[in-house]
Amino acid sequence: EAGVVQSPRYKIIEKKQPVAFWCNPISGHNTLYWYRQNLGQGPELLIRYENEEAVDDSQLPKDRFSAERLKGVDSTLKIQPAELGDSAVYLCASSLEDEQFFGPGTRLTVL
Amino acid sequence: GENVEQHPSTLSVQEGDSAVIKCTYSDSASNYFPWYKQELGKRPQLIIDIRSNVGEKKDQRIAVTLNKTAKHFSLHITETQPEDSAVYFCAATLGGNNRLAFGKGNQVVVIP
Repeated sequence: EAGVVQSPRYKIIEKKQPVAFWCNPISGHNTLYWYRQNLGQGPELLIRYENEEAVDDSQLPKDRFSAERLKGVDSTLKIQPAELGDSAVYLCASSLEDEQFFGPGTRLTVL
Repeated sequence: GENVEQHPSTLSVQEGDSAVIKCTYSDSASNYFPWYKQELGKRPQLIIDIRSNVGEKKDQRIAVTLNKTAKHFSLHITETQPEDSAVYFCAATLGGNNRLAFGKGNQVVVIP
């Protein structure tokens, strides 16, 4: 069974540019999460989807971040415009019940 | 304060010894407590979890104990091996919406 898939694995952009990350969860997992992990820290939740509905987006900086999961399967997270402080690893996870399975992450570097 | 705190931040042990990492949480309504292992440059992977209606759970060399009264839970690794070297994250659900709050992680180094 394929795990959570994310792309790209690495992204380097200049500040003020837009960037998008894509995630395909494990087949059949209704819940999808986007996390941000800064160096030396644990993952911090940005947004959680139940099917196509965002049920917890209270920690998403909505002035520059947006996300969608239109058909309740794969999802895209966008940052526009990116700032230096957005450099981090963006992790996607999915779950059927409590256990969350993480993808490999996208390492974003903003110059 | 932080929702979830881990101690110590770094732990070095001799191969074959035991390692214990403690995690404290603040939300008395938390009911699910996973532990994740993350090797350098890799994704976090669940190694063991425990629910609030259980006090202890064991899986081979790994065990987790939960003290709901004191609001802390601990990861125990016995007979440590070099491949146990990694960062270990504890997490706890925040009662209101089942959001997982992660600790900052413990770096465990097993010295051969």
